[in-house]
Amino acid sequence: DTGVSQDPRHKITKRGQNVTFRCDPISEHNRLYWYRQTLGQGPEFLTYFQNEAQLEKSRLLSDRFSAERPKGSFSTLEIQRTEQGDSAMYLCASSEQGLENTEAFFGQGTRLTVV
Amino acid sequence: AQKITQTQPGMFVQEKEAVTLDCTYDTSDPSYGLFWYKQPSSGEMIFLIYQGSYDQQNATEGRYSLNFQKARKSANLVISASQLGDSAMYFCAMRGRNQAGTALIFGKGTTLSVSS
Repeated sequence: DTGVSQDPRHKITKRGQNVTFRCDPISEHNRLYWYRQTLGQGPEFLTYFQNEAQLEKSRLLSDRFSAERPKGSFSTLEIQRTEQGDSAMYLCASSEQGLENTEAFFGQGTRLTVV
Repeated sequence: AQKITQTQPGMFVQEKEAVTLDCTYDTSDPSYGLFWYKQPSSGEMIFLIYQGSYDQQNATEGRYSLNFQKARKSANLVISASQLGDSAMYFCAMRGRNQAGTALIFGKGTTLSVSS
């Protein structure tokens, strides 16, 4: 098992452009999370999937953000009409269902810079 | 609302010394879990240790131990015999059963610097 992988690792985009990130969770994990981390802060929860169902969305997730997990495996996070305030590290994590005391395994993140 | 507070922006320690990173939490949920993660400069969050709210004993994992004081709502991380590779950001996090699904809520982190 190679762990959680995210692609790309870095993305620089112009303001107003759309960007899409991909996350491949650990294969047997059916829970998948997206977090956003800005400089000097801890990760903040964005959204959560159980299999293909998006069960929770944070108020941080504006209408410009959309996430999918179409087959319950990999997930994508799209940001439309990017703004400079979207510059952050976007982290994906996965965990097993039903084990509340188990940790979430994180990918290495996608660092987004909006210029 | 659930909240994690880490009051130490930075900590400095010499190799082989022990260090304690502070974490306090706030929750009204009687059942919760507390986690510590390490984030090196590469960006990946690495799980270190877990403590359940009903666990009678403090959790230990190798050089890491969690000093859990439920009445004080604190869950401090103790790293014994610090190594240069321990230099990183450390985050305390909490998972509750009825807030934001099962997502983790993180503190702002503490930067640990280990010198030789």
